[in-house]
Amino acid sequence: SYELTQAPSVSVSPGQTARITCSGDALLKKYAYWYQQKSGQAPVVVIYEDSNRPSGIPERFSGSRSGTVATLTISGAQVEDEADYYCYSTDTSGNHRGVFGGGTKLTVL
Amino acid sequence: EVQLVESGGGLVQPGRSLSVSCAASGFSLDDYAMHWVRQAPGRGLEWVSGISWNSGRKAYADSVKGRFTISRDNAKNSLYLQMNSLRTEDTALYYCVRGINLEFDFGMDVWGQGTTVTVSS
Repeated sequence: SYELTQAPSVSVSPGQTARITCSGDALLKKYAYWYQQKSGQAPVVVIYEDSNRPSGIPERFSGSRSGTVATLTISGAQVEDEADYYCYSTDTSGNHRGVFGGGTKLTVL
Repeated sequence: EVQLVESGGGLVQPGRSLSVSCAASGFSLDDYAMHWVRQAPGRGLEWVSGISWNSGRKAYADSVKGRFTISRDNAKNSLYLQMNSLRTEDTALYYCVRGINLEFDFGMDVWGQGTTVTVSS
C-alpha cells in the first residue's frame, strides 16, 4: 500500500527513552528512513536503511524494523531532540513512489 | 561542502506555470538520484517526484502526476521541476533532496533549504 502511519505526538522527560513508530505494508519489503525536522529548519536524516546512523548523529538515536513496523528510538532523550520526526519509505506497487509518514511531534520536557 | 540551493519560487496565479531549479555543489550530481519534496504551511512532508541518476526513470506523486515534470542536467549539476496547471493546494516550500544512491526508490540524505511557491489569485 502507499501509506505510512505515525502517532501525531510523543512526550518524554529528559533522559527517558522515546520510541516513535511507523507502520505500513511497504515496510515489509522496503527500508525505512527517519528524518528530524526542527522548527524552521530543513529536515536531517537521522537513520537510513532501517538502522544505520549517519556520521554526526548522536549514538542515542537508533532504528529497527520488524514486519510492517519501523521504530526510531532515542535513548536518553535531550531537550535538543525536540522536533518533528518523519519516517519515509517507497511504494511497493511498482510505481516506485516515495511516501512519508504524517510525522510525530516529539516533546522533551 | 555538499550543498543544494533551490531557486525560482514565487507567487503565481492558479492555472499558470512555474519552474524551480536546484544547483548542486560539492559532489557530482550524476552519482545520485534526486528528489523534490514539498511542505505546505503547517503541514508534513510530501514526496513530489524522483529521478534516477541518468534520467532513465522518473516517478511522481498522484497529486502532481500529469502536471509536474522533473528533469536534470548532470553537466550543469542542476535539477529542475516544471510545474504546470498550478493549484492553490500546490502552495508549499519545495525542497531539492539528494538520493542515497543511483536510483530513487531508496531514501534521501542531503536537503536544500527550499524555495517557496505560492499559488494565489
